[in-house]
Formats: sequence, structure tokens, C-alpha cells
Amino acid sequence: AQTVTQSQPEMSVQEAETVTLSCTYDTSESDYYLFWYKQPPSRQMILVIRQEAYKQQNATENRFSVNFQKAAKSFSLKISDSQLGDAAMYFCAYRSGLSNSGYALNFGKGTSLLVTP
Amino acid sequence: DTEVTQTPKHLVMGMTNKKSLKCEQHMGHRAMYWYKQKAKKPPELMFVYSYEKLSINESVPSRFSPECPNSSLLNLHLHALQPEDSALYLCASSLGDRDFQPQHFGDGTRLSIL
Repeated sequence: AQTVTQSQPEMSVQEAETVTLSCTYDTSESDYYLFWYKQPPSRQMILVIRQEAYKQQNATENRFSVNFQKAAKSFSLKISDSQLGDAAMYFCAYRSGLSNSGYALNFGKGTSLLVTP
Repeated sequence: DTEVTQTPKHLVMGMTNKKSLKCEQHMGHRAMYWYKQKAKKPPELMFVYSYEKLSINESVPSRFSPECPNSSLLNLHLHALQPEDSALYLCASSLGDRDFQPQHFGDGTRLSIL
């Protein structure tokens, strides 16, 4: 079974600053996908960014980017120019490319991000 | 606006009640999921439906009974629940293939068992 580890239960960043959330995973599969989801207090899970394992290029979505190190099985999220609206729980998630997984998500424990003015 | 609609948003029920949670999507997705999320914890997979057939049951107690009447609708029937079943229940959908498309989540139903 794959495991996803987020070693930072809580992080804090000042507005306009940059913060990096860490995520490592363990798998023996070669075909998989990685995601970062954000869950604000409103509780909806919102996709932040995604990465295909076979792509070496790091994904970028506006202020959000990842540092994907496949050999190290690391998938960290960088948030630049942090905004108050970025405050939320951030979950790293693994999805197998195998059909018998149902393509379900396996989540890390999450990192609670606090953004201070 | 979320593309996956869950009703009700909140539900309070006694341990002897029978109730149902409903999830609907109109994105043409062929895979639908139920997750259970306790406070300050990540979502945990309960069931996966693929092309309207139950493909994964993560050893969920039989007091939870999923149903997929058609490709757009997913229900979760509840009966004789326990206080520890109080949680946020999230529904999600995806294309259901091994492609890159992410899962889309609903806002969840917050369930409280008295």
C-alpha cells in the first residue's frame, strides 16, 4: 500500500511571503499521479495543483508550484506571495494509475496553513 | 459553485433512524466515491463506483449501504449508526480512467449521530 507523509502539522506564513509545504510518499508503482488539495473551513476540497509521475517538469499554477523529486519520492508545494485566502488545510494525495485502485485518492494527514497579516 | 452536489448539508439522526445521503454530478463522470472525514483528519475512502458498479468497498460496516442508481447519482443509505460515525461525508467524482483528470468533490454532509 502507498503511504503519503506530511511531516508539518502546522505552518505559518506572513502575507506576501513564500512558504513550502512538504510531502513524501512511498510506492513501488511507476504509474501514478500526485495532487495537492486545499480544504478551507468551508470544507470543500479544492484542487490546487497536480503532477504526473512520468513528467519531469514541475507543475505550476499561478502562485502555486511544486518541486517534484521522483527519485526521492518528494512532492513539495510552494506558495508564493501568500494571501489571507490561502489559509486552509492542505492535503497531499497520491493516485495510482492501476485500475484496481479505483483511481481513488490516498491522502496525507494534512498541513494547516495560517496566513498572518 | 461546486459541480458535485451533496444533500443534505447537515444531518442529525438517532441511532435507530434510517436516512440517506445523496450525491449528484452532471459532468459525465463514470467514477464516484464516498469518503469519510473526521475532524482534523484526512478523508478516508469508503466506496468506489465505476460505471455504476461497486468496485471497491474498504471494509465498511454494513450499516452503510451505497447505491448508484445511474451514472449521475450516488446514494449512501444509513441505518443503525453509532456515535463514532459522526463525521463529514464527502462525495467525489472523476472520469474514471487512468488519465490525469482530478477528482471533483462536493461540499459534504456533516452527520451527527445522537
